[in-house]
Parts: sequence; structure tokens; C-alpha cells
Amino acid sequence: GAVVSQHPSWVICKSGTSVKIECRSLDFQATTMFWYRQFPKQSLMLMATSNEGSKATYEQGVEKDKFLINHASLTLSTLTVTSAHPEDSSFYICSALDRSLAKNIQYFGAGTRLSVL
Amino acid sequence: RKEVEQDPGPFNVPEGATVAFNCTYSNSASQSFFWYRQDCRKEPKLLMSVYSSGNEDGRFTAQLNRASQYISLLIRDSKLSDSATYLCVVSSGAGSYQLTFGKGTKLSVIP
Repeated sequence: GAVVSQHPSWVICKSGTSVKIECRSLDFQATTMFWYRQFPKQSLMLMATSNEGSKATYEQGVEKDKFLINHASLTLSTLTVTSAHPEDSSFYICSALDRSLAKNIQYFGAGTRLSVL
Repeated sequence: RKEVEQDPGPFNVPEGATVAFNCTYSNSASQSFFWYRQDCRKEPKLLMSVYSSGNEDGRFTAQLNRASQYISLLIRDSKLSDSATYLCVVSSGAGSYQLTFGKGTKLSVIP
């Protein structure tokens, strides 16, 4: 079964609204989670690294005020796309880093397909 | 130069065929290497890690050449269920565990 749960799986919203995406690790505690974005026929691009109890680290070109990340617990990180616009339409995927038993494996959520009208 | 480059594909092969994917990476400090598979409109799933000595998992064999910064994946006796996009993934490690993904190579196994 899934070890990382991502919700919602699909969202359609109007331009200018905000959308929150949740990412939960189910079987382990994740001090580090990652948020990716994937446009059609493109590779996954890392947007930010989410660290429990501290500020997220954003990749170059990703606006931190537009993509708000909160990692308030060891099993939950949220990504809020604020004032969404059609160009934000994409496939957003989170992952959680499992460091138990020195595995250091990232497990991915099922992704959220965002369509902004 | 892209950080992780893969064969552009697509690869269309008959069932039972052997197919090989290649990948090169630009960051010589990379420490961990993986192959993921991604089905259409789904999340990536770890297929296997890649070790310097080479490793095998059933019909799948992965090889790493650090000197050439080259990674390969060989699939033997292809099944219809192997149809997917195969992603070459590299991590710099160094405590950050960030993954860098290639664009992927699409494989279609044909009956």
C-alpha cells in the first residue's frame, strides 16, 4: 500500500483562488519532504525542500510567496498555491524521505493535477 | 548541458525483447543513483537503486560507471506490463538527498 498520501488528486479552480495540497507520510516520520512540479513531457522539477519545524528551502526561480509550504508535523507537509493562474496548471508531486534504517529513500505521493481556469 | 540526460526514445519493442536504456549525468559529485518508472499520469515509483558493482533484480540489471558518469538499465524478456517511462535519477547526497530527474525514456512493449 501507499506509504505517502497526497490529497487532493485532482483540482480545478478559478484564476485568482488559492489551492492547498497535503502530503502525508503514513508509515514513517519524515523530517524532510520535497515538492516537485511536472509539466507535460517534461522531467520532474524540484520546487522546494520542506523541513519539519523550519522554513522551506526553495529552488531558484520558485516564488516562496506564491508557493507557501508548511511542515508543521513529522508526517504532514502542505503546499498552498496562492492566487493561482493558468500557467500554474501542472502536476504537483510530493515525496517524503525515509531515513529509517539508513534507507534514505524518497517515496512519492500519487500527485495532484491542478487545472486553473 | 542538462544535469541528467537520457535516450530520447520512445522505444517500441516486442514482448520478450531485451531493451537497454542509457543515462549520463553531469555532476561528478553525485553519490546515489536510481531508476524510477513512471506510468502515464502517475507518480514515479522506485524501480531499483544502482550500485557501482552493478546489480540485478529479476529481469532488470543496472550498471554504473562513475568514471564515465554513465548509468544503464537493461530489461530482459520484456513484458507488456513493462510499458512505462523510465526515469534516470541522481542524488548529490551530501545530506540534502535532493533528487535530479532525467526527462525519461518511454518504453512501449508490443504484443
